[in-house]
Amino acid sequence: GAVVSQHPSWVICKSGTSVKIECRSLDFQATTMFWYRQFPKQSLMLMATSNEGSKATYEQGVEKDKFLINHASLTLSTLTVTSAHPEDSSFYICSARDGARVSYNEQFFGPGTRLTVL
Amino acid sequence: QKEVEQDPGPLSVPEGAIVSLNCTYSNSAFQYFMWYRQYSRKGPELLMYTYSSGNKEDGRFTAQVDKSSKYISLFIRDSQPSDSATYLCAMSPGNMLTFGGGTRLMVKP
Repeated sequence: GAVVSQHPSWVICKSGTSVKIECRSLDFQATTMFWYRQFPKQSLMLMATSNEGSKATYEQGVEKDKFLINHASLTLSTLTVTSAHPEDSSFYICSARDGARVSYNEQFFGPGTRLTVL
Repeated sequence: QKEVEQDPGPLSVPEGAIVSLNCTYSNSAFQYFMWYRQYSRKGPELLMYTYSSGNKEDGRFTAQVDKSSKYISLFIRDSQPSDSATYLCAMSPGNMLTFGGGTRLMVKP
């Protein structure tokens, strides 16, 4: 149980285009989803937190107009990188918290999406 | 100073060795402590979770938390080549996770 999927796993796009990444909780309802970015040989950096049905909360330094997050259902959140540039190339990982688990705040991670902007 | 410090390694050990991975932290509000394993180009996988101080054992893995010293450890016994990965510590006061930078472990056959 507690499986999180991401699609696509790898995407290459041209500079200036937009890319959408999907994050799905397959066997539980995710009341909260998180989006992280990870550069090579570095740790995960939280970009934003989204709760189902409400606007995402972005971490300091993350442009909300560039990284659009939608969490329209309890099993799906999307991250859209708008007008992507080469410096946006990174590994994007989502995680989800199971709303039925109240004992602690475990986050279940997706497999990640590698974005390369040419 | 980062909230969570972790030696990046790489740490290279022979197969069968006992591995010790550590993190220190500065935020006394952290109550939940986790260790994740991340293979190259994959998402993190939860290995161990500990609440407050103490030890927890699961198979070849043992997690220790010393809140008085703000120091946590993960021990891997009888290490295998398949344990080669990056190990991330993570901690939380109850909501958001703060990750260490990760330690790259290489177990050589």
